[in-house]
Amino acid sequence: GAVVSQHPSRVICKSGTSVKIECRSLDFQATTMFWYRQFPKQSLMLMATSNEGSKATYEQGVEKDKFLINHASLTLSTLTVTSAHPEDSSFYICSARDDGQVYGYTFGSGTRLTVV
Amino acid sequence: AQTVTQSQPEMSVQEAETVTLSCTYDTSESDYYLFWYKQPPSRQMILVIRQEAYKQQNATENRFSVNFQKAAKSFSLKISDSQLGDAAMYFCALFGNEKLTFGTGTRLTIIP
Repeated sequence: GAVVSQHPSRVICKSGTSVKIECRSLDFQATTMFWYRQFPKQSLMLMATSNEGSKATYEQGVEKDKFLINHASLTLSTLTVTSAHPEDSSFYICSARDDGQVYGYTFGSGTRLTVV
Repeated sequence: AQTVTQSQPEMSVQEAETVTLSCTYDTSESDYYLFWYKQPPSRQMILVIRQEAYKQQNATENRFSVNFQKAAKSFSLKISDSQLGDAAMYFCALFGNEKLTFGTGTRLTIIP
């Protein structure tokens, strides 16, 4: 079946630094990928929709300058948390849509970000 | 805008028994999909079952089945013969207008 690799699974960084999270579709092409944020014991909140070769579409309230998204190829999207602060600590999950299916969304295993 | 509501934050069921998780939704789209996802402690999102809105027949996947009431905008999940491995957070989700919207989740506990 379709597999999405998300890396790293866990990262700790110092306040003020930047962190990059990768989301890679391993066996399918994904023109569209999605980034979610999940706080403890809460639901997944869509942050942005990433489209290959174009600018990402951010949801209302999400700072595009803080959460930089790059979707440079049909199999890779990256989320960079810039100038991270403790309040950015969260669980981030990506999802990739298989171009060959009507509905084919596969989730990555998530990244737990801790900013100290 | 589309919304998904899960009114049961927590549910518990005796092993081997049946449990039903509730979900209601709202959307202005005529073409949409509904899903139940399972999130175990590993946090990996696992697709349990899906339902195309244009299909009247309720979807079934082994021990998992749904009761899709389109007019009432209701989409409940029934788990039969509950097993210890079913313990997890369950999220109801709606895909419409190119977006996947999740409910707030129901934590399911299986009592041995």
